[in-house]
Amino acid sequence: AQKITQTQPGMFVQEKEAVTLDCTYDTSDPSYGLFWYKQPSSGEMIFLIYQGSYDQQNATEGRYSLNFQKARKSANLVISASQLGDSAMYFCAMREGRGGGSNYKLTFGKGTLLTVNP
Amino acid sequence: EAGVAQSPRYKIIEKRQSVAFWCNPISGHATLYWYQQILGQGPKLLIQFQNNGVVDDSQLPKDRFSAERLKGVDSTLKIQPAKLEDSAVYLCASKQLTSYEQYFGPGTRLTVT
Repeated sequence: AQKITQTQPGMFVQEKEAVTLDCTYDTSDPSYGLFWYKQPSSGEMIFLIYQGSYDQQNATEGRYSLNFQKARKSANLVISASQLGDSAMYFCAMREGRGGGSNYKLTFGKGTLLTVNP
Repeated sequence: EAGVAQSPRYKIIEKRQSVAFWCNPISGHATLYWYQQILGQGPKLLIQFQNNGVVDDSQLPKDRFSAERLKGVDSTLKIQPAKLEDSAVYLCASKQLTSYEQYFGPGTRLTVT
């Protein structure tokens, strides 16, 4: 079974509108974390936002927010006020494991290609 | 603060040849990762180092791939001999020991013909 599922291969949004990118995950570990990364055509992975499984509030970073629904095992990324520069691949990833940040690995989904139209 | 450096950025080789990639992590980052990203997929972890020790290499094809981080700083990833299916982007990432956030380099795009 896939640990991270991103069901939207591609999404389109008009500039200045909000968009939600879906991510569902599968884990039996009570301690885990969800990440979102942006990958522009240049290829570099850019960290956007992180949500830990024990965090009480949904994470926010500027125009990015993470809609974390633990019971549904979903961690959707919401981008508000889309900009042309937001056009890129977006990956959801999960870390599993206890304790601090030292020993964990990331499992990535297949990504969603977001296109922002002017 | 300088980011994660990787070289070369692009490499084209013929199958059965060997190739090596280099990564210089962010200063002070004890943990280093190598990922393989095949076109249209998310990155897949190949190997994880903590300082100069291997933490996880369960997904590294050890018959042809090798990696080292001798002094706990720079790292090299080698493929010998290369196969067509090794065509991918090879990403290096690093992080501080007690942090969750990984910082990625620009990647090396390998084409095997």
